[in-house]
Amino acid sequence: GNSVTQMEGPVTLSEEAFLTINCTYTATGYPSLFWYVQYPGEGLQLLLKATKADDKGSNKGFEATYRKETTSFHLEKGSVQVSDSAVYFCALHIGGYQKVTFGIGTKLQVIP
Amino acid sequence: DTAVSQTPKYLVTQMGNDKSIKCEQNLGHDTMYWYKQDSKKFLKIMFSYNNKELIINETVPNRFSPKSPDKAHLNLHINSLELGDSAVYFCASSPSGIADTQYFGPGTRLTVL
Repeated sequence: GNSVTQMEGPVTLSEEAFLTINCTYTATGYPSLFWYVQYPGEGLQLLLKATKADDKGSNKGFEATYRKETTSFHLEKGSVQVSDSAVYFCALHIGGYQKVTFGIGTKLQVIP
Repeated sequence: DTAVSQTPKYLVTQMGNDKSIKCEQNLGHDTMYWYKQDSKKFLKIMFSYNNKELIINETVPNRFSPKSPDKAHLNLHINSLELGDSAVYFCASSPSGIADTQYFGPGTRLTVL
């Protein structure tokens, strides 16, 4: 079956530090890959996505590249802010009417 | 305008009661979902509907019954509530279910006492 593995948090960083949250996947077929972010007390919202190998998704200074050879989609940001404190979910979707598979979520806390 | 809305936002009830959560989306999407998020933030899909038709039904107790009166609404009814049902329930929608972005509602925090 399909699965997503992401690092367990919490991850605590100082403001302006470099962020990497690892995500690897296993899938039958060719998935689209997503990063969703959940701010405290809110629902998930799409942060970025990539639909095919070597695509790079980017938004709000965050980036992730779809690496088929390593089955990975690591999230990076060069300089985090306190406002980036949230839970980040990696996800994949094969398509059709199959369910979206989410990772366990990684909590990021950025301290001033 | 809220894209995906849920009511109520908070629901506190006693064990054994029956309750409903309502969800509406004004995005014109074909597919809607219910997810359950536990206290550790783990997200689990429960149901998915496409154009009022059930297409995903995960291993969920049959005390949970979704109902989709039209493609813009997906309600969740829960019978005989148990302590373990306490969680945050999220409704979501997507345009076609074909590897597309999901749009989540704000969540309903259910507490069973």
